[in-house]
Amino acid sequence: EAQVTQNPRYLITVTGKKLTVTCSQNMNHEYMSWYRQDPGLGLRQIYYSMNVEVTDKGDVPEGYKVSRKEKRNFPLILESPSPNQTSLYFCATSRERAGEQYFGPGTRLTVT
Amino acid sequence: DAKTTQPTSMDCAEGRAANLPCNHSTISGNEYVYWYRQIHSQGPQYIIHGLKNNETNEMASLIITEDRKSSTLILPHATLRDTAVYYCIVRAPLTQGGSEKLVFGKGTKLTVNP
Repeated sequence: EAQVTQNPRYLITVTGKKLTVTCSQNMNHEYMSWYRQDPGLGLRQIYYSMNVEVTDKGDVPEGYKVSRKEKRNFPLILESPSPNQTSLYFCATSRERAGEQYFGPGTRLTVT
Repeated sequence: DAKTTQPTSMDCAEGRAANLPCNHSTISGNEYVYWYRQIHSQGPQYIIHGLKNNETNEMASLIITEDRKSSTLILPHATLRDTAVYYCIVRAPLTQGGSEKLVFGKGTKLTVNP
C-alpha cells in the first residue's frame, strides 16, 4: 500500500531540546516537502527536496533543518525548538515537483 | 499562480450530491485546477485535477466552465465521511512558471448531515 508515514504523531517537548520528526514514503517519489499548519494561517511550506541531496527553503524555514540522504526519507530537524514552533506538521511527497501531492498523517508538536 | 474564491461553508444531506464551486477568474491558459480536502486535522488528500475538460475519478467529478473562470467539484453521493474542508488550488506546470508548492486558501467547510 502506498503511504507516507510520519513519526512521532504527537510530541510534547521543552524549549531548546533538539528533536527530529521523520517522514518516510514507499512510492519512490522524488519530490518531498514539509508544511506546517496553524489556525488562521493555513498550510505553509517549510522546506522541500527535489531529489536526494537537493533541498531548498520554502516560505517559513527559520528554525528548521532538513536532510535528504535517501530517496524515501526526509526528516525535519528542530535544533532548538521554541514555543512558536508549536504546530501541526505535514510531510508531502510527489512523483514530480508539480504533480499531485500525497500527505502524511501529521505530527502535532507542542513546545513548552 | 491564480487566486481562487470559495464559499466559506456548505451543507449537504447524506446520499445527495455535493456541488462545491470555485471561482478562478484570473486563471491563465496553462494553469490546472486541483482539488484537495482535509478531514479534521488529517493530512490533506488529493482528489482530482483538470485543465479544460471535465474529469471524473472514483472519488469525484470536476466540471470546468468553457471560459475556465470557474469550476465545480461534485461528490455524487455524499457520505458523513466526506465532511471536510475542500480546497481549490490553481497551479501552472513548473516548466511554465508555476510554483512547486501548493498554496492552500481557506477552502470550503463541507458538512454532510444525516
